[in-house]
Amino acid sequence: DSGVTQTPKHLITATGQRVTLRCSPRSGDLSVYWYQQSLDQGLQFLIQYYNGEERAKGNILERFSAQQFPDLHSELNLSSLELGDSALYFCASSVLGRKGVQETQYFGPGTRLLVL
Amino acid sequence: LAKTTQPISMDSYEGQEVNITCSHNNIATNDYITWYQQFPSQGPRFIIQGYKTKVTNEVASLFIPADRKSSTLSLPRVSLSDTAVYYCLVGDLGESGGGADGLTFGKGTHLIIQP
Repeated sequence: DSGVTQTPKHLITATGQRVTLRCSPRSGDLSVYWYQQSLDQGLQFLIQYYNGEERAKGNILERFSAQQFPDLHSELNLSSLELGDSALYFCASSVLGRKGVQETQYFGPGTRLLVL
Repeated sequence: LAKTTQPISMDSYEGQEVNITCSHNNIATNDYITWYQQFPSQGPRFIIQGYKTKVTNEVASLFIPADRKSSTLSLPRVSLSDTAVYYCLVGDLGESGGGADGLTFGKGTHLIIQP
């Protein structure tokens, strides 16, 4: 158990819908990362937040957005869902998340999203 | 951008030593090298991190030659439970760069251990 929690574990929805994935980092970790993993693309970095502010951006679509709240939990919002958005979504956390520093990331169990 | 290249897949047998090499020809001075392991339907798990020469922990060893253009993850005496995907990441330590660059996992190396 990494100490990172994600909810829900599974999510099935229809195209065009909007969903919110939630992540609680390890106690004391200030930085949260979101990743998308699909069979054909591998593990893709989406976005990183540090203490409530966006720190780094990866291959995140405009239909996706994220935020980190004062209690440090984070939410990833996926809207106008398409079939291709079906994937495993992982959240990870690290202690500081200083820019450019490759800190050890602790990953949650993931949310499996299926868009029908 | 310190891009990495790894084998797509490898296989070996229980009890053998397995070495997975990662190429990172454009590694920068401040970049560290980190390896993660991922089992099916689970999040990646940190294995080892190093900057140069050799690093060893209770799980693996990491060999980095002097030019740092490649690195080798060594798993001693593997077992069936070492069957997983292994990712090599290269990232910056300073304010001069990094960001998303050091967070590129790619597709990793699928290691299959047979009895």
